[in-house]
Amino acid sequence: EPEVTQTPSHQVTQMGQEVILRCVPISNHLYFYWYRQILGQKVEFLVSFYNNEISEKSEIFDDQFSVERPDGSNFTLKIRSTKLEDSAMYFCASQTGGGDEKLFFGSGTQLSVL
Amino acid sequence: GDSVTQMEGPVTLSEEAFLTINCTYTATGYPSLFWYVQYPGEGLQLLLKATKADDKGSNKGFEATYRKETTSFHLEKGSVQVSDSAVYFCALLNSGSARQLTFGSGTQLTVLP
Repeated sequence: EPEVTQTPSHQVTQMGQEVILRCVPISNHLYFYWYRQILGQKVEFLVSFYNNEISEKSEIFDDQFSVERPDGSNFTLKIRSTKLEDSAMYFCASQTGGGDEKLFFGSGTQLSVL
Repeated sequence: GDSVTQMEGPVTLSEEAFLTINCTYTATGYPSLFWYVQYPGEGLQLLLKATKADDKGSNKGFEATYRKETTSFHLEKGSVQVSDSAVYFCALLNSGSARQLTFGSGTQLTVLP
């Protein structure tokens, strides 16, 4: 079965630094997402992306966050100035169509902000 | 807003035991309901889903029935295997909130031989 690939699997950074989390969605998919899970808490929606623009974002997704699909294959999440509370597992997901069609998730990037 | 409440973990069972992981939800409208599973080192995978009341989703011996009257979607399996050890997430997708899945907190299942 095709896979969503995320890199790196672990990222350690200093508070205030910028990080970019990378994802390669499944090639014929059109909808892309980022979710995150802080240790011990629920998986939370961050943002959805379709047709080269954000279609929906949560309250968590503030001005420090941005997403980009720079080259038609990668889908990145940038955090401009990381905070301690950004430490979490970040999951990328993609989907062929919208609605309740199956989401394919990557294995996640564990971000640790020191 | 929408929310999903999931049975607290971790859950430890012996092989061939019966599994129930409880999930209840709060949502406006008519959400679709899902169970996702995360095996060690892997991403979340869709296990099963149900899109309307009284639907039963099933896959790999797991079942869950969409109960609108009790707003529940409990996951069950009659006989678990060691390979079922994973984290299980209940989730909903509300038609009013486009493609934004709302997840429960996950339940860690460990099956001992």
